[in-house]
Amino acid sequence: DTEVTQTPKHLVMGMTNKKSLKCEQHMGHRAMYWYKQKAKKPPELMFVYSYEKLSINESVPSRFSPECPNSSLLNLHLHALQPEDSALYLCASRNRAKNTEAFFGQGTRLTVV
Amino acid sequence: DAKTTQPNSMESNEEEPVHLPCNHSTISGTDYIHWYRQLPSQGPEYVIHGLTSNVNNRMASLAIAEDRKSSTLILHRATLRDAAVYYCILRGLPINDYKLSFGAGTTVTVRA
Repeated sequence: DTEVTQTPKHLVMGMTNKKSLKCEQHMGHRAMYWYKQKAKKPPELMFVYSYEKLSINESVPSRFSPECPNSSLLNLHLHALQPEDSALYLCASRNRAKNTEAFFGQGTRLTVV
Repeated sequence: DAKTTQPNSMESNEEEPVHLPCNHSTISGTDYIHWYRQLPSQGPEYVIHGLTSNVNNRMASLAIAEDRKSSTLILHRATLRDAAVYYCILRGLPINDYKLSFGAGTTVTVRA
């Protein structure tokens, strides 16, 4: 199984809502990533988790709160977002111990209204 | 992080080869060169990677210049399914958890 599964595929939320994005992989990868991608732009790295600990935060606003409750699951909690946060949110995982490729999910298309 | 430079776009005819260049003049000795592509409405997918030697796999070939300041991804026979944005990335160091930072990429169009 080489899949990274992201749910939901689409999400519409108001600026006062709290929602969460979920990412799951069962490849035993101990590095997991969140990216944000605006239309016609490359993915921008947001967070990196290594062995379930946050290792990189690319100066992301606190309205985005990541969580890695176990080695298979990565969440992104959203609160008080702005319309400009509307984007495709991508999750990826990688074998931390080896120089191998990253596997990406299909993303969650988020719209903030 | 070391940067990469790619052309904005390239066009090819179906069943012809496509050569995608990437410049990475500030590459360090430990930086691996990774290529990913992103088909429309999908997440990025891995294509190939290398350090110093040329590499081949079922999807493509990677030719790395001797001074490692540039590389070329080669799609041997383009198909319509190869239309995508191709990203050349320098994989970060272990201390940075091998982070993958995407540049602008090259949009490849394949004509039937």
